[in-house]
Amino acid sequence: RKEVEQDPGPFNVPEGATVAFNCTYSNSASQSFFWYRQDCRKEPKLLMSVYSSGNEDGRFTAQLNRASQYISLLIRDSKLSDSATYLCVVNDRDDKIIFGKGTRLHILP
Amino acid sequence: DAMVIQNPRYQVTQFGKPVTLSCSQTLNHNVMYWYQQKSSQAPKLLFHYYDKDFNNEADTPDNFQSRRPNTSFCFLDIRSPGLGDAAMYLCATSRDRPGPSNEQFFGPGTRLTVL
Repeated sequence: RKEVEQDPGPFNVPEGATVAFNCTYSNSASQSFFWYRQDCRKEPKLLMSVYSSGNEDGRFTAQLNRASQYISLLIRDSKLSDSATYLCVVNDRDDKIIFGKGTRLHILP
Repeated sequence: DAMVIQNPRYQVTQFGKPVTLSCSQTLNHNVMYWYQQKSSQAPKLLFHYYDKDFNNEADTPDNFQSRRPNTSFCFLDIRSPGLGDAAMYLCATSRDRPGPSNEQFFGPGTRLTVL
């Protein structure tokens, strides 16, 4: 099993729709979790940290399920500008940082 | 604005010719990272510095070296670039060791072409 797995997509979603994707991780001792956004040929930028209690930032909601070892990202009322690759990042106790390959999202007008 | 700067943005080198990529930061962060990202792949961590403490990833080839002469600067040296080393090289910083609330800030990257 890969350390961090994501569905590569692409997810083609009409503007205004809700979309969700998951990221699974293999190490149950993983400590912290993040979602980054990466636009084509640009650097990754932090979208949200993912906390145990779940967290929301505007149209974006992130959740952590430790029992099943996955994190999720929900985007409501999607905008054209949400089109990007969404990278899941997992940090282990020994400072190991692992990026998922990313999920490509295309918002369709 | 505080930021992470990478120079050059595009670098072309010849097979086997040493090349150095540069990263500087004005965030005064303790940790600096170098990642390699190939097309449609995840960024792969090569190594990181926590202050002056160098941490190499187990699978980083010896061909890749790094220097951090001071808090602000970090360099990636590729001693003998091969065709397979063509990639985007991303520098990132974080205030402290990886952990909750310690997000990484990325530079714009240097795209390396090997001829």
